[in-house]
Amino acid sequence: DVQLVESGGRLVQPGGSLRLSCAVSQFTVSTIYMSWIRQAPGKGLEWVSLLRSDGSTYYADSVKDRFSISRDNSKNTLLLQMDGLRVDDTAVYYCAREAFGGFDIWGQGTMVIVSS
Amino acid sequence: SYELTQPPSVSVSPGQTARITCSGDALAKQHAYWYQQKPGQAPVMVMYKDTERPSGIPERFSGSSSGTTVTLTITGVQAEDEADYYCQSSDSSASYPDYVFGTGTKVTVL
Repeated sequence: DVQLVESGGRLVQPGGSLRLSCAVSQFTVSTIYMSWIRQAPGKGLEWVSLLRSDGSTYYADSVKDRFSISRDNSKNTLLLQMDGLRVDDTAVYYCAREAFGGFDIWGQGTMVIVSS
Repeated sequence: SYELTQPPSVSVSPGQTARITCSGDALAKQHAYWYQQKPGQAPVMVMYKDTERPSGIPERFSGSSSGTTVTLTITGVQAEDEADYYCQSSDSSASYPDYVFGTGTKVTVL
């Protein structure tokens, strides 16, 4: 089965850094568009970042200049480097595959808590 | 960026029809997508490009579009359909993509 498995979420202090991973199986991460999407506790969904198959990257204004999306082709893994973390970055972070302009496959999510 | 507005809640009795609307100016020219999210679980796509149902999604789910409003309809609601539903739109071909999710609708099966 097509599967996305996130990891790396944990408790981190404000101003700290964290790197999230999304292991992909049954398709090649470098050939499709992949995004990170987050959901703060009790809130709705917020798109965070996109990595296109051609390597171009895009970010929501709320994370621009602090987060960096990339991929490790050798491990077939999507990555999200998060620096300068703020309390309002606290959320479940999902990786998702884009298809037809929407997101057809989602991981189970990894929780990031930013707190002192 | 733009906004997509959904009603906060919809209540429906088993076997009845639930209609969830999503409104926004961008929907006049962009497709909409719908996701179902049950507590503690990741979202699942239940509709794409306004009216297309992904493989494995029951036929009781359907979508429609008119002007700046799209609608997800669940015909013959079952208890298992109780969940949060989010619409989403995007212009991924634009020079800078903009993916926006709706405010979300909690569907309660009475």
